[in-house]
Amino acid sequence: DGGITQSPKYLFRKEGQNVTLSCEQNLNHDAMYWYRQDPGQGLRLIYYSQIVNDFQKGDIAEGYSVSREKKESFPLTVTSAQKNPTAFYLCASSSGVRIRSNQPQHFGDGTRLSIL
Amino acid sequence: AQSVTQLGSHVSVSEGALVLLRCNYSSSVPPYLFWYVQYPNQGLQLLLKYTSAATLVKGINGFEAEFKKSETSFHLTKPSAHMSDAAEYFCAVRETSGSRLTFGEGTQLTVNP
Repeated sequence: DGGITQSPKYLFRKEGQNVTLSCEQNLNHDAMYWYRQDPGQGLRLIYYSQIVNDFQKGDIAEGYSVSREKKESFPLTVTSAQKNPTAFYLCASSSGVRIRSNQPQHFGDGTRLSIL
Repeated sequence: AQSVTQLGSHVSVSEGALVLLRCNYSSSVPPYLFWYVQYPNQGLQLLLKYTSAATLVKGINGFEAEFKKSETSFHLTKPSAHMSDAAEYFCAVRETSGSRLTFGEGTQLTVNP
């Protein structure tokens, strides 16, 4: 079955440490997205990529970095500069704007990041 | 910039009662609108989407939503709530020329026996 796989499901970070969250999709989607979810705040866009080797900042990119070297993969690094990283992180993908922009985003099951 | 407002962060209904979750959007052009559902510790699952073909959209699990341009609304309804409908629901808007989604803050639906 096609879908989006996020790993790990739970992740713990020590102070001053960078951690990388994995997101892999086998839907052949061009566009991929990273969201942060905090209680009562909905989803906020961190970074997105509409094509391999290109990505754009979302609304809350500070303290995060991404890469898009392969169409299937869009890893997110939470750096030590992100002072409040505890949250639920969701990865999504979609067919992108080049086909039809009414296509929905498909989501993975998320990674919950906590600070030790 | 697009924005989405979901009125009521918590809605509680009895099993068998009507479910109404409200969503209003701001957009200078007719947008693409979506409703998603999220169960605890899971990702978001698409319930339905509006794409200008019809103003009344039917989705999965018996949910439907009506697009009303004059009211800039896209409220989600279900005639009879089931215990399994208890979850968080998100309304989202996507501009016709872009791929980004803007989400509302979510509405937590509780279904009482």
